[in-house]
Amino acid sequence: GAVVSQHPSRVICKSGTSVKIECRSLDFQATTMFWYRQFPKQSLMLMATSNEGSKATYEQGVEKDKFLINHASLTLSTLTVTSAHPEDSSFYICSASDPRGTGDTEAFFGQGTRLTVV
Amino acid sequence: AQSVTQLGSHVSVSEGALVLLRCNYSSSVPPYLFWYVQYPNQGLQLLLKYTSAATLVKGINGFEAEFKKSETSFHLTKPSAHMSDAAEYFCAVRSNTGNQFYFGTGTSLTVIP
Repeated sequence: GAVVSQHPSRVICKSGTSVKIECRSLDFQATTMFWYRQFPKQSLMLMATSNEGSKATYEQGVEKDKFLINHASLTLSTLTVTSAHPEDSSFYICSASDPRGTGDTEAFFGQGTRLTVV
Repeated sequence: AQSVTQLGSHVSVSEGALVLLRCNYSSSVPPYLFWYVQYPNQGLQLLLKYTSAATLVKGINGFEAEFKKSETSFHLTKPSAHMSDAAEYFCAVRSNTGNQFYFGTGTSLTVIP
């Protein structure tokens, strides 16, 4: 079946530095990918929609300058957390759906990235 | 706009007992509904999805869910809980206008030996 791969699974960075997270669709070309943030014991919050070849669409309240999204190819989207601070520590998950599917096509999720900013 | 509501953030059942996790949806049109499971520090894995072909949907690991339009519900059940079922469960609805998924708040399932 379709697989979405996310890397790295864990990252620890110093406050003020930037961190890049990659999300790859392995079995299909994804014109859109999605980035979610999940706080401990909470649900997934959609942060932004990554659009191949164009600007990402951010959900209300998400800082686009803080969370830079690049979708340069049909199989790769990256999320860069810029000037990270401890409050950015969280679990980040990407997802994608096969565009050839119908409305009931499920979303496939990456393994998630645990970001810790110290 | 579509949304889902999960009643009960924590559910505890004894091993071998019935599992019932509740999900209600809000949608003006037939929704695309899904149940996902998440184990600690992992991504989400699809359990099952409503495809409109049948109201009773069978998924992996012995789980099933029944779509009830009259109750706007899509509750997840399993006849006999296993220790390995302990995880976080999310009900989700797919947007009719795009590929976005919107999740319920999640239900943490604890299985007591």
